[in-house]
Amino acid sequence: QSALTQPASVSESPGQSITISCTGTSSDVGSYNLVSWYQQHPGKAPKLIIYDVNRRPSGIADRFSGSKSGNTASLTISGLQAEDEADYYCCSYAGPTTYIFGGGTKLTVL
Amino acid sequence: QVQLVQSGAEVKKPGSSVKVSCKASGYSFRSYTISWVRQAPGQGLEWMGGIVPILGTAKYSQIFQGRITITAEKSTSTAYMEVSSLTSEDTAVYYCAKLSGSGDWGQGTLVTVSS
Repeated sequence: QSALTQPASVSESPGQSITISCTGTSSDVGSYNLVSWYQQHPGKAPKLIIYDVNRRPSGIADRFSGSKSGNTASLTISGLQAEDEADYYCCSYAGPTTYIFGGGTKLTVL
Repeated sequence: QVQLVQSGAEVKKPGSSVKVSCKASGYSFRSYTISWVRQAPGQGLEWMGGIVPILGTAKYSQIFQGRITITAEKSTSTAYMEVSSLTSEDTAVYYCAKLSGSGDWGQGTLVTVSS
């Protein structure tokens, strides 16, 4: 089972918006509304920012939003801030006791 | 709140095995999948496998099938992940994680494989 497909890197200026895509298959992203997104800063454990496609955990800014269409999920970050510079990973449920991650996207805030 | 506390860093010789533990608290351990995730230096996150403790049967990524064993001890709310036949390419941080719902992660365990 190959990793979900994400762009390797994206960059944008502070205050702007970016969208990171995450493409899977009908066996994972397309079958379940169980896509999550994680933010990871260097040397830190991943932090959940979106779960169940478009739900935000408590404490996560509403600048972060998620969506899904078919086999592709997306993470949008609006009003980019310097602290958003990090690696972002999507993760999808893929059946009983099974998950799959995306390859990760490095976000640079110019 | 959910807490996942992992065992400490390990240094291993090539060809040996390593067993990492993950003690859970703050939720019903036996009911939710505990996953193990590998992150090699400078690389992304890889799902290795998972187990629902109440069922006791683990599922493994095809990449790791046959070389890892995931178990869970319900009495102590602890999950374990053992990797055998270690090579230098297994040098990585290994995380346990509850990927459903609140998406909680352990602090990570660095395993270094070196002769």
